[in-house]
Formats: sequence, structure tokens, C-alpha cells
Amino acid sequence: AQSVTQLDSHVSVSEGTPVLLRCNYSSSYSPSLFWYVQHPNKGLQLLLKYTSAATLVKGINGFEAEFKKSETSFHLTKPSAHMSDAAEYFCVVSDRRGDMRFGAGTRLTVKP
Amino acid sequence: DAGVTQSPTHLIKTRGQQVTLRCSPKSGHDTVSWYQQALGQGPQFIFQYYEEEERQRGNFPDRFSGHQFPNYSSELNVNALLLGDSALYLCASSLSWDRGHLDGYTFGSGTRLTVV
Repeated sequence: AQSVTQLDSHVSVSEGTPVLLRCNYSSSYSPSLFWYVQHPNKGLQLLLKYTSAATLVKGINGFEAEFKKSETSFHLTKPSAHMSDAAEYFCVVSDRRGDMRFGAGTRLTVKP
Repeated sequence: DAGVTQSPTHLIKTRGQQVTLRCSPKSGHDTVSWYQQALGQGPQFIFQYYEEEERQRGNFPDRFSGHQFPNYSSELNVNALLLGDSALYLCASSLSWDRGHLDGYTFGSGTRLTVV
């Protein structure tokens, strides 16, 4: 069985400071990992994905994530937060069968 | 290139009623998955349709059923609505059932269902 744990339900940063959203996963297979963002009253948008290629993955809007198998982690980072980054972020693990499991989400607040 | 479209955007129903939600996948996608997102929680997998058949199913009761049409669009039906069914229902599509884990899924904006 697969699962995802997002270690922080809420993260608050100041505009221009770094962002770190933490995610640990559990999977019996070689997983695919994703980060999705959800703005209020909107659907989910794919930020980035890891599918067994490079372990450092670059996504949209300046976000990056590093797959660390030894730590079973896939943390999301951004060097400098922008006000428009305020949203809910979901870490997702998926296997070849398409079984996709979401974390509970991390709400990112960006202060001016 | 149209993404995933869902209708209606909002819906209010009474306990015990039945509801049908609709989804058109992204152009070129043939696999549709449905998710329920309760307030303050992550999406929970309901089921996935491919070639007009249910491929996988999450831990949801039989009151939740679906259908996929030859044009790949899909419906989610919920019978005997309960207050706890109030949620955002998301539809996601992928190029094929075995591509989602490589490409990721394209999500619609969802249908907000309120049961009173």
C-alpha cells in the first residue's frame, strides 16, 4: 500500500523568503511522485513530477523538489516566495496501476 | 486545447436525493478518474474509468457509481445522498490508464456539492 505524509498542515512565510513544504512517502514499488497546487475554488494544477529520472526536479513558477530515496522524502522548495504562491499544496504518490494517493495538504500563507 | 471540464460547478441537494455530475476529459485523454475532496482534506480516490469500464475503485460505497461514454466523457452518480457527501468532486483525466503515473493527471475545477 502507498501513502503520503505531509509534515506541516500550515506553513507561513514572508514574501521574498524561501519556501519549504515537506513530504514523506511510503511505497512498495518504484513510485512516481507529484506536487499539485490548489488555489481557492480552483482545481488542482500540476507543479512538478518525479518519474525515476533526475532526482532534482524543476517545476513551474520557480518550484523545485528533490527525491531522496534513502529518506523517502520529496520536499518542495522555492528560493523566494511570492504573494501569488499562497495556496494549498498536495504531495501525491502514484504507482504503475494508476493508484494515486494524496497527502492531507499544506496550506501556504505568504505575508507581505 | 480545452482542459478537463466539469458540470455543474455548484449543486445543492436534499438528503436522500440522487445526483449526477459530469466530466469531459482533456482532448486526447481516454481515462477518467473521480475524487472526493471534503473541506480541509486531500482528495480521496472514488474510481477510474477506461474503455467504458470501471478499472479501479477506492473505498466508497455502492451508492457511488459511474459511467464512461464512447467519447470518453464520464458521469458520477450518487444515490441516497447523505450530509457527509457534501464535498468538492474532482474529475481528472490522463492519456491512458498506464500513463497517469508518468505524465500526471489533468484536473477539472470540480463540482461543489452541498447536501442539506
